[in-house]
Amino acid sequence: NAGVTQTPKFQVLKTGQSMTLQCAQDMNHNSMYWYRQDPGMGLRLIYYSASEGTTDKGEVPNGYNVSRLNKREFSLRLESAAPSQTSVYFCASSESNLEGTDTQYFGPGTRLTVL
Amino acid sequence: GQSLEQPSEVTAVEGAIVQINCTYQTSGFYGLSWYQQHDGGAPTFLSYNALDGLEETGRFSSFLSRSDSYGYLLLQELQMKDSASYFCAVREAAGNKLTFGGGTRVLVKP
Repeated sequence: NAGVTQTPKFQVLKTGQSMTLQCAQDMNHNSMYWYRQDPGMGLRLIYYSASEGTTDKGEVPNGYNVSRLNKREFSLRLESAAPSQTSVYFCASSESNLEGTDTQYFGPGTRLTVL
Repeated sequence: GQSLEQPSEVTAVEGAIVQINCTYQTSGFYGLSWYQQHDGGAPTFLSYNALDGLEETGRFSSFLSRSDSYGYLLLQELQMKDSASYFCAVREAAGNKLTFGGGTRVLVKP
């Protein structure tokens, strides 16, 4: 099992360009998440999908859109990139059980620079 | 909303014990998780507390006091490979979202 995979690993954009970050998981998890992590800081939730067919805003959704394409895939789109969106983006998934830890499993991250 | 506070950095020597405290303010609480992240890597799950008390997993232990809105991660017998950032995260009541603290960078010296 590959776990959570993300593409691309690195990306440089110019201000105003658009791009889509791809994420896929092979653990049959119900829930998927997109976070951003700025240097020396914690993870901030952008959007999440509790189950296939649903998406909800997190703490910092402005400037982003998401699509839960199917149970495996959850993409993040930047319509018009801004330098403030320079960050490392992590995708994660979890079983979404109401008991126990509901551990989140993270992908390797996408390092995005907006010039 | 949720907010979590943890120290920004801790330095210790190999073999020592380090305690990373985490205090939280939350409108709803289900449990407190801890994640480890090495430089350039992805966060990985370490431990979870839903009830008061201590959970032990090898050299790492985690504690929770719900009445004090407080928890800590205890790293024992520190090794060089434990140099990393450690994040506490609150799981919201009746949900599966996590809110992360700003992280504590642990530097282990020989």
